[in-house]
Amino acid sequence: QKEVEQDPGPLSVPEGAIVSLNCTYSNSAFQYFMWYRQYSRKGPELLMYTYSSGNKEDGRFTAQVDKSSKYISLFIRDSQPSDSATYLCAMRTDYGGSQGNLIFGKGTKLSVKP
Amino acid sequence: NAGVTQTPKFQVLKTGQSMTLQCAQDMNHEYMSWYRQDPGMGLRLIHYSVGAGITDQGEVPNGYNVSRSTTEDFPLRLLSAAPSQTSVYFCASSYSTAGLEQYFGPGTRLTVT
Repeated sequence: QKEVEQDPGPLSVPEGAIVSLNCTYSNSAFQYFMWYRQYSRKGPELLMYTYSSGNKEDGRFTAQVDKSSKYISLFIRDSQPSDSATYLCAMRTDYGGSQGNLIFGKGTKLSVKP
Repeated sequence: NAGVTQTPKFQVLKTGQSMTLQCAQDMNHEYMSWYRQDPGMGLRLIHYSVGAGITDQGEVPNGYNVSRSTTEDFPLRLLSAAPSQTSVYFCASSYSTAGLEQYFGPGTRLTVT
């Protein structure tokens, strides 16, 4: 079993829809959870960063972490064509050294149609 | 403030050739890292550094060397290129030595024939 699983999609939604992107993980020691957005042929950019469980909101974006289910989500409200990109989840433990390296999901490709 | 810069943007190598991918950041970040991104594989860590003079291996270090003589620069050297090293390479940096909140460069697309 991979440490981080993410459905690659593609996911296609109409403009204005609520989008739900998800990752599951197997390592219960993960404490830091991140979402990156990657436009085609560009580098990933950090969208949201949460520590441990709970929700975090930033504008149209909400990140949720459910450690009991080992499941994290990113919700995008009122989706726009400019949200069309690949979304990568990433997570890491509290440990130092190489055990604390970021582990990325494979990314979900999202397309928002006007 | 240029952030993280990478050169070159594109490169084609023949098998057995060596080259250096350049990475620089102007944010005074201690942590820097190199990833490769392959279709269906996601981002995989090659090497990372938590400060000048300190480097360590990531998940896929074989065939690559790094050094960190300054805070700003973190070059990645391919010793003897192989077709399996065809990939997109990203450099990233973070203010945190734990590698949290990493900022990525634009990437280098490398093809090895």
